[in-house]
Amino acid sequence: EVQLLESGGGLVQPGGSLRLSCAGSGFIFSTYGMSWVRQAPGKGPEWVSALSASGTATYYGDSVKGRFTISRDNSKNTLYLQMNSLRAEDTAVYFCAKARITHDSSDFPDQWGQGTLVTVSP
Amino acid sequence: EIVLTQSPATLSLSPGERATLSCRASQSVSSNLAWYQQKPGQAPRLLIYDASNRATGIPARFSGSGSGTDFTLTINSLEPEDFAVYYCQQRRNWPITFGQGTRLEIK
Repeated sequence: EVQLLESGGGLVQPGGSLRLSCAGSGFIFSTYGMSWVRQAPGKGPEWVSALSASGTATYYGDSVKGRFTISRDNSKNTLYLQMNSLRAEDTAVYFCAKARITHDSSDFPDQWGQGTLVTVSP
Repeated sequence: EIVLTQSPATLSLSPGERATLSCRASQSVSSNLAWYQQKPGQAPRLLIYDASNRATGIPARFSGSGSGTDFTLTINSLEPEDFAVYYCQQRRNWPITFGQGTRLEIK
């Protein structure tokens, strides 16, 4: 059974930093592109970032470009999101998601974690 | 950025009825469109990918159609568990974008 478990969310002040982690199991982690998708309270999902299986190709949404960094450690089956210069509008539940097919980081996610809440507030 | 516009915003139907949800793209996305279902407190669930292919484990009452800029999600004979929010999403161009959602509620 595929499982994705996010951690690292919490309350942070504007301008602060946070690192999210997502531990994957039940699939060959190193062969799938992975993504972070967030959802602000009462809003629809927003694609944040995607990363290729090898970790060499990255993609970012315009709202986070230059502030967030996606990475992965395939030896630990873990995806990361380093978030710097956080703003109030970054407040959301952050989901990690696995691409449906191997080696296509833009493919539609077919498995999602349960999400971790990030709150940016003074 | 490709903008996806979903309609209607809210759809009120009874169990057993057919639901038709629409998603319109601001430019062609070919068939690079998916539909998701989301229930409160849960992550989105992939229903349809590449416009018309059902994801693994999705019941046959869910079907998708369309290409280019106009897409439809049809749910035949609504079950009580189908009442949720539905989102479309395109992957034709970066950044990947979602529609604003259609809430399917019990009439």
